[in-house]
Amino acid sequence: AQSVTQLDSQVPVFEEAPVELRCNYSSSVSVYLFWYVQYPNQGLQLLLKYLSGSTLVKGINGFEAEFNKSQTSFHLRKPSVHISDTAEYFCAVSHAGNMLTFGGGTRLMVKP
Amino acid sequence: DAGVIQSPRHEVTEMGQEVTLRCKPISGHDYLFWYRQTMMRGLELLIYFNNNVPIDDSGMPEDRFSAKMPNASFSTLKIQPSEPRDSAVYFCASTTTTGLHEQYFGPGTRLTVT
Repeated sequence: AQSVTQLDSQVPVFEEAPVELRCNYSSSVSVYLFWYVQYPNQGLQLLLKYLSGSTLVKGINGFEAEFNKSQTSFHLRKPSVHISDTAEYFCAVSHAGNMLTFGGGTRLMVKP
Repeated sequence: DAGVIQSPRHEVTEMGQEVTLRCKPISGHDYLFWYRQTMMRGLELLIYFNNNVPIDDSGMPEDRFSAKMPNASFSTLKIQPSEPRDSAVYFCASTTTTGLHEQYFGPGTRLTVT
């Protein structure tokens, strides 16, 4: 069975500061990893994904994530956040055709 | 493409009433998923279909919940009778066989049962 843990339920940060949203997963086999973003009153949209290859993955809106197999982590980072990045971020894991398992979400609150 | 379409966007009903949520997936997508999102339980997969056939409904909470997909462009999630604890945002998502991991979500239906 797979599981995803997002260690922080809320992350407050000032505008233009860097941010890291943490995600750890558990799985006994190789997995595919994803970050989705949910803006207020909207559905989820894909931010970035890791399927194979380079462990550093770049996504939309300046976000990137690094897959660390030894630490079973897939943390999301952005060097300088904007007010418009305020949203809920979900880490998800999938194994070769299985459905997505989502973490509990992290609410990013960017303050001016 | 218009994306995944859900209706209604908001639904307020009284306990005991029947509620029907609707979803139109992206044209050409052969997988459809229904999720429920609450503060307490986060995002839960309720059921998913492949080529209009239900594949896994283990996430459906009770017999009060049922889902159908009569054709490739339409699905419904029905709750009968509804209860206050069913209050949540219900999302529909779709994808293709080749893009199985990249699901496209609709805007959701916010259900309030009083």
